Amino acid sequence: DAMVIQNPRYQVTQFGKPVTLSCSQTLNHNVMYWYQQKSSQAPKLLFHYYDKDFNNEADTPDNFQSRRPNTSFCFLDIRSPGLGDAAMYLCATSSGRDTDTQYFGPGTRLTVL
Amino acid sequence: QKEVEQNSGPLSVPEGAIASLNCTYSDRGSQSFFWYRQYSGKSPELIMFIYSNGDKEDGRFTAQLNKASQYVSLLIRDSQPSDSATYLCAVRGDSNYQLIWGAGTKLIIKP
Repeated sequence: DAMVIQNPRYQVTQFGKPVTLSCSQTLNHNVMYWYQQKSSQAPKLLFHYYDKDFNNEADTPDNFQSRRPNTSFCFLDIRSPGLGDAAMYLCATSSGRDTDTQYFGPGTRLTVL
Repeated sequence: QKEVEQNSGPLSVPEGAIASLNCTYSDRGSQSFFWYRQYSGKSPELIMFIYSNGDKEDGRFTAQLNKASQYVSLLIRDSQPSDSATYLCAVRGDSNYQLIWGAGTKLIIKP
């Protein structure tokens, strides 16, 4: 089955220790998204890629970076995690065409100690 | 700033009854509307999308869109305990690649 895969599912890191989250997709979608979601809140868009074109949301902190080395993979780097970065990180994809629906991976739960 | 509003709940509905979830949005020009279901600790899962005024049915789910009044609703017929989850409403923003999200309504189906 075509799907969006995220690894790891759970990540524990220490305050200030860099961490990388990964996302891969077999849907062959052009667009990939990274969201941050905290408890009882709406998902917050951090970035998206249309193919290789990177789009950063205006209020995404500089501490968050992203890479998309190819169509299938996308990475989220948190350079110096703070306690406030503990959250669920969601990767989503969409085709990039007019009737655009976003499909989510299972998420990575990040804990910062 | 464009906004999507949902009642946070919890909305408690007896098993077998109809659950009605509502969402209002601020941008009159919005064209695309999505309902996602999210179980606790899991990621959002698409239930339905709707683009045109009126009703769209898929199994036990019906989405209703009223652009004049700027609201979209989701009806769940014959509610089951497995429908207990948070339901997120999302509206397409300025670009094709941006969704404006509501904070979700927590639905509890009581056996």
